[in-house]
Amino acid sequence: DTGVSQDPRHKITKRGQNVTFRCDPISEHNRLYWYRQTLGQGPEFLTYFQNEAQLEKSRLLSDRFSAERPKGSFSTLEIQRTEQGDSAMYLCASSLVGTQTFGSGTQLSVL
Amino acid sequence: ILNVEQSPQSLHVQEGDSTNFTCSFPSSNFYALHWYRWETAKSPEALFVMTLNGDEKKKGRISATLNTKEGYSYLYIKGSQPEDSATYLCAPEAGGTSYGKLTFGQGTILTVHP
Repeated sequence: DTGVSQDPRHKITKRGQNVTFRCDPISEHNRLYWYRQTLGQGPEFLTYFQNEAQLEKSRLLSDRFSAERPKGSFSTLEIQRTEQGDSAMYLCASSLVGTQTFGSGTQLSVL
Repeated sequence: ILNVEQSPQSLHVQEGDSTNFTCSFPSSNFYALHWYRWETAKSPEALFVMTLNGDEKKKGRISATLNTKEGYSYLYIKGSQPEDSATYLCAPEAGGTSYGKLTFGQGTILTVHP
């Protein structure tokens, strides 16, 4: 296992387009988290899953954001009708107990 | 958990200097405190997880302490090296229904000059 993988590494899109990011966690980890990080700030919690169940969503997550984790394995984060304010680094992390292991993130730029 | 503050925001030191950063957080509903190191173009790397008041952890030249009663943690780097240059993030983890959810500070950016 090579750790947490995120795809793509970079995404440039035009305002109003939909984008989808993928996260492949460490295989034995049952918890999967999504965070968003903007310049000068630490990562902000967006949502997390335990197996396939989405247990919590941040109030930061507007209706344009949706996350899924079918079969409790990989996860996708979709942003519909992107806005310039959505430009950020989107990080995924997974854990079994305790420490979360992070992926390298997807850098989204909305033009 | 809200209002996680890290200081300083950035720090420039010379190779060989020792340095320390502060993380302050609300002490209510505390479960654990995580420290991460985040180098540019890489993924955040876990350094320490601490849970008990008075905990001290050490990993090579880096060590950390925890005071849960007053809500702060210190990270120390002894004899800084250029490869220590990174953003250092702290993140308290709340208990109860928020178990597992991390609230990150804004980070301390460390630059070590050769």
